[in-house]
Amino acid sequence: GESVGLHLPTLSVQEGDNSIINCAYSNSASDYFIWYKQESGKGPQFIIDIRSNMDKRQGQRVTVLLNKTVKHLSLQIAATQPGDSAVYFCAERVWGSQGNLIFGKGTKLSVKP
Amino acid sequence: DAGVIQSPRHEVTEMGQEVTLRCKPISGHNSLFWYRQTMMRGLELLIYFNNNVPIDDSGMPEDRFSAKMPNASFSTLKIQPSEPRDSAVYFCASIETSGSDNEQFFGPGTRLTVL
Repeated sequence: GESVGLHLPTLSVQEGDNSIINCAYSNSASDYFIWYKQESGKGPQFIIDIRSNMDKRQGQRVTVLLNKTVKHLSLQIAATQPGDSAVYFCAERVWGSQGNLIFGKGTKLSVKP
Repeated sequence: DAGVIQSPRHEVTEMGQEVTLRCKPISGHNSLFWYRQTMMRGLELLIYFNNNVPIDDSGMPEDRFSAKMPNASFSTLKIQPSEPRDSAVYFCASIETSGSDNEQFFGPGTRLTVL
């Protein structure tokens, strides 16, 4: 039968293309943001982070962009690979919250070989 | 470092039974978080501790759920009595908050099935 569940936004890309995953965060007092990757059957894993005093940060094949004006965060993955297939979560930390993070709903990235 | 350790990895129990999930945070981390993940509701924060003290338990769904952190290296999440709707993957995460910006490190999760 059909399962009823959380409808995750899904992004389907061709291997080798660039991927952009977007996230809207909720609190203008948030001072730190993280992107996590969760593969099937595993816990979320850290990908990249950014502080609120920055608007861009680059890692290996990944870039995070922060637009505080519209409370928007994006994750760009260059030359997407099948191993990038996973659910991606953005998370925000509200200043003074002792490490507590507010997680977004997640986006499922599917990479076609 | 072994990372965050959770046990058991899988638990199948019958409705009404007591379930205890265990977590060992990363050594030196001073905050610990318990999450529940389901298809219906996604990733939900249940409770978190800072320096072994519960800070926010507003996410604990009912009195059937309780969590303890008797010392810096161990925490438990208990469900008594368990119900089928408690079936989910339960994650523990830890972080060291006294430094600069740090991410939460997640354990592998415990998949709980209540029949």
